[in-house]
Amino acid sequence: DAGITQSPRHKVTETGTPVTLRCHQTENHRYMYWYRQDPGHGLRLIHYSYGVKDTDKGEVSDGYSVSRSKTEDFLLTLESATSSQTSVYFCAISEVQGSLAEAFFGQGTRLTVV
Amino acid sequence: AQSVAQPEDQVNVAEGNPLTVKCTYSVSGNPYLFWYVQYPNRGLQFLLKYITGDNLVKGSYGFEAEFNKSQTSFHLKKPSALVSDSALYFCAVRDGGYGQNFVFGPGTRLSVLP
Repeated sequence: DAGITQSPRHKVTETGTPVTLRCHQTENHRYMYWYRQDPGHGLRLIHYSYGVKDTDKGEVSDGYSVSRSKTEDFLLTLESATSSQTSVYFCAISEVQGSLAEAFFGQGTRLTVV
Repeated sequence: AQSVAQPEDQVNVAEGNPLTVKCTYSVSGNPYLFWYVQYPNRGLQFLLKYITGDNLVKGSYGFEAEFNKSQTSFHLKKPSALVSDSALYFCAVRDGGYGQNFVFGPGTRLSVLP
């Protein structure tokens, strides 16, 4: 398995509170992604990073921010959690060198906003 | 913009029979195509990819996929299904932009019946 660790794995939080999810990789891959998975929607991209301090918005970025101060860490912050942000969040990493082009996924974080 | 369609929400097949999970795509430029599998409460696992070359791609666990450029399809196949193949399957295409993002289809749930 690719060296990707997400923390926490489960979290319950109250509406209006800030929440930070962490993704840590040991593969030294350049690209990192945060997706959310919801029934009927598959995986939707929230934010992505193409290098240290290089980030950009994905399809469903409203209410989320990210930071990447080191190659190995990519943080996702919900500024003020809402019930619509209850979801399973996945971090992924990838590289673009030679034939290596697939993404590798973490185990996911199940977030419940009550 | 890149997009992926998986026209079937659910596919049921008897154990030992061949299976096909369908995927069609829309991309600008050359397609980088992927299949992933997700077991309950787990992250996505990479199965196979098409980058270039042979239209029939072989991957993990006996799966293969056929790339058809004229039909813009990338169907996942297995000659003989196992009950343990029951899972959620995602087709994805890679965007060649800054983030090299992955766009996923909505997923197809495969049930292999004993």
